[in-house]
Amino acid sequence: DTEVTQTPKHLVMGMTNKKSLKCEQHMGHRAMYWYKQKAKKPPELMFVYSYEKLSINESVPSRFSPECPNSSLLNLHLHALQPEDSALYLCASSQDPGTGGRNQPQHFGDGTRLSIL
Amino acid sequence: GDSVTQMEGPVTLSEEAFLTINCTYTATGYPSLFWYVQYPGEGLQLLLKATKADDKGSNKGFEATYRKETTSFHLEKGSVQVSDSAVYFCALSDHSGGGADGLTFGKGTHLIIQP
Repeated sequence: DTEVTQTPKHLVMGMTNKKSLKCEQHMGHRAMYWYKQKAKKPPELMFVYSYEKLSINESVPSRFSPECPNSSLLNLHLHALQPEDSALYLCASSQDPGTGGRNQPQHFGDGTRLSIL
Repeated sequence: GDSVTQMEGPVTLSEEAFLTINCTYTATGYPSLFWYVQYPGEGLQLLLKATKADDKGSNKGFEATYRKETTSFHLEKGSVQVSDSAVYFCALSDHSGGGADGLTFGKGTHLIIQP
C-alpha cells in the first residue's frame, strides 16, 4: 500500500476543460513533487515544493498550475491541455534535505493517468 | 549535470536465473543512490537505497552496492521469480543545491521473467 494517495486514478478531458489532480500524504514530509511520465520513459520532474513554497519549476507550460495549500496536500490544476500532455502524473514526497532528510528517498503515489482528447 | 546510465531492455530471463542490471552515474556532488521498481499500471516503489560509498542496500532478495571508485550501483538477485517482472529504475539525488530536488533517473530496464 502506498502512503501517498493520488486522485483520480484516471482522467479523460477535452482540451478546453479545467480539472485538478490531487495528492495527499500524512508522513510529515515537507517536500513534495510532481513528475510526468510518458509510456516507456522515466519520470520527468515538473515542480518541487519545500515547506509549502514552490522551489523548483522545470520550465513547465503555464497550462499546468501547481498549488500546495498545506503540508499534506499538493494539487495540480490543468487548463487548456494539449494531446501531448497525455501521460501518467506522479506525485512524490520526502523529508526536506535541510532538516536531516538529505539521504531519504522520495515516496511515490500510484499516479493519475491523464488522457487528453 | 547529473546523469544515470542503465542497461535498457527488455531483459528476459528464466525463473530462478541470476539477475544483474548495470547502473553507472555521474554527479557533481556526493549523491544518494536508489533503485525503484514499477509494476504495470502502478507508481514507483522504492526497492533499496545506499547513501555512501561501500553501503549495500538490500530488500526482497535484491542487492546493490554503492561503488564510488567505479561510480556504479548494479542491481543483483540470486534467483528471480515471475513476480519480479517489472520496470526497474536506477536513480540518484544530489542535493548539491542544499534543498529538495528531483531525482535523476536512468531510462529504466524492462525485466521479463519466464516460467
